[in-house]
Amino acid sequence: GAGVSQSPSNKVTEKGKDVELRCDPISGHTALYWYRQSLGQGLEFLIYFQGNSAPDKSGLPSDRFSAERTGGSVSTLTIQRTQQEDSAVYLCASSLDLGGTQYFGPGTRLLVL
Amino acid sequence: AQSVTQLGSHVSVSEGALVLLRCNYSSSVPPYLFWYVQYPNQGLQLLLKYTSAATLVKGINGFEAEFKKSETSFHLTKPSAHMSDAAEYFCAVSGDSNYQLIWGAGTKLIIKP
Repeated sequence: GAGVSQSPSNKVTEKGKDVELRCDPISGHTALYWYRQSLGQGLEFLIYFQGNSAPDKSGLPSDRFSAERTGGSVSTLTIQRTQQEDSAVYLCASSLDLGGTQYFGPGTRLLVL
Repeated sequence: AQSVTQLGSHVSVSEGALVLLRCNYSSSVPPYLFWYVQYPNQGLQLLLKYTSAATLVKGINGFEAEFKKSETSFHLTKPSAHMSDAAEYFCAVSGDSNYQLIWGAGTKLIIKP
């Protein structure tokens, strides 16, 4: 079936604006993860969802970041009052179950001016 | 806490030459270890993973990696480089929770004709 998809692929916004990034996981995958990839750095874990359990938000860098997953499928990562340091590629991954192999989407490249 | 170090942000080899990408990790628990590849403008793709079975792990596209506990290493190798191998390679280790991946900063592999 189809892989993980993310939208938009690119987003340019002005400092202070809110943005929403979307992730469609692979059908049937119960676990969903968000990562941030800053220029020249490895991936930074942000948050994960597993089924209907409360998400692990331990990686979110500030309270401006939030995420939700509706119906155990699509997830939205929201960044409020964006700052220039939020510029990065935001990657979503899903796995069949928690701890399983993670399959990644192509990412959303966010640029905050 | 777990951490991953990839030696060399850039590695350049000639086509047909041996590829060696280095990864060292620290982990307080038996780790799961991963190598992912990211081709230009594409998402991350799993190359191979170590999950405490055989220490020599074979992956896709002719890559393999050997888990050496005494050296806390998981270096990635390929006997003969191909132009299509040019990409960025990331090493990752599973966190204490076994699902949160801790990532290295990545190594960009350059293939010279």
